[in-house]
Amino acid sequence: SQQGEEDPQALSIQEGENATMNCSYKTSINNLQWYRQNSGRGLVHLILIRSNEREKHSGRLRVTLDTSKKSSSLLITASRAADTASYFCATDPLTGNQFYFGTGTSLTVIP
Amino acid sequence: DGGITQSPKYLFRKEGQNVTLSCEQNLNHDAMYWYRQDPGQGLRLIYYSQIVNDFQKGDIAEGYSVSREKKESFPLTVTSAQKNPTAFYLCASSGQRLSNQPQHFGDGTRLSIL
Repeated sequence: SQQGEEDPQALSIQEGENATMNCSYKTSINNLQWYRQNSGRGLVHLILIRSNEREKHSGRLRVTLDTSKKSSSLLITASRAADTASYFCATDPLTGNQFYFGTGTSLTVIP
Repeated sequence: DGGITQSPKYLFRKEGQNVTLSCEQNLNHDAMYWYRQDPGQGLRLIYYSQIVNDFQKGDIAEGYSVSREKKESFPLTVTSAQKNPTAFYLCASSGQRLSNQPQHFGDGTRLSIL
């Protein structure tokens, strides 16, 4: 399977703390994307990082990409209870016509 | 507002019955996708379409069928051959491949067996 893997599978933190989740993948990519999913809802795109970028910021989100290790991390700073959701990485491979999603990290932020 | 609309939100299937899930987008996207999500799992690709009147099987196409007669619409039929259809189904769309555009998702259809 070309599906990526995320770790940890679940993460529970206090409000105000930072949350870090990691994604590993298997193939050469055009870009990597992070998505958020609230319970029972569709996925919402958070940030896209291209293969020639190493770091990208958007508000309280910071994404890094290491193509030599085929891995990425998502950091959420100063977490809020509203950040409670599942987070997925998805790779856009150089070959083929589909995206590949990771298994997801379930984040719980305790008020 | 532009977006993707999935309907119905909840759907129940009787044994031996085919059911069709609707997906409509007004984002003028060329590509559309259907994913299946089981509890606590990631997304698995069922079918995708890069252009009207063309579609390709994904990793778990058995027991499903699709059509792409219009750019805006990509309905998914869950046939009676799919023996374990209970899941959350997500439709997505995106711009052309390798254009560095993310996918946009609908709010899903939850399918259960009666």
